[in-house]
Amino acid sequence: QVTLKESGPGILQPSQTLSLTCTFSGFSLSTYGMGVGWIRQPSGKGLEWLANIWWDDDKYYNPSLKNRLTISKDTSNNQAFLKITNVDTADTATYYCARTPLAHYFDYWGQGVMVTVSS
Amino acid sequence: NIVLTQSPATLSVTPGESVSLSCRASQSISTSIHWYQQKSNESPRLLIKYASQSISGIPSRFSGSGSGTDFTLSINRVESEDFSIYYCQQSYSSLNTFGAGTKLELK
Repeated sequence: QVTLKESGPGILQPSQTLSLTCTFSGFSLSTYGMGVGWIRQPSGKGLEWLANIWWDDDKYYNPSLKNRLTISKDTSNNQAFLKITNVDTADTATYYCARTPLAHYFDYWGQGVMVTVSS
Repeated sequence: NIVLTQSPATLSVTPGESVSLSCRASQSISTSIHWYQQKSNESPRLLIKYASQSISGIPSRFSGSGSGTDFTLSINRVESEDFSIYYCQQSYSSLNTFGAGTKLELK
């Protein structure tokens, strides 16, 4: 059974760094072809892909945010991470992590974690 | 970036109607398109992969078609539980993108 769960700070102030953790089970990020992606959704708006990390540690970022994003993984502990630097109110959203086999579709999603950026 | 344009933005239908939702890519992407359903306050759910491939556990009334730049998600005889937002996503580029979504609402 594949499950993913996101965790984060809940609220943070502008200019701070947002650190998100995705803890998963039922698959391994050391398996050939496996990947985890991060997607966010501001309230009432659409989905925005942020980044993917693959089993071989290859990484891809949304070009509009690339300079602010860092994706990483801890294969031993079945976790993936996303950091977003210098946040502002536009980064307020629900953040999802999802499994992506061969970095194609997202077949299993976490429940999402709400993040609010406010002074 | 590959841009995906979904239309219409909103589709008002009555249960029992059959509908088609469109997703158009800004360049040819073969069949590297995937469809998701998102109900209110829930995470997205994968409905169709690679334009037309079914997903285990998804009702057979959902089907997909298309290749190149034009793709369609069809729902045969809409049921009340289908009223939600539908998104397409491309994986032709390693820089994935989503469409803006089509909201299927009750007429």
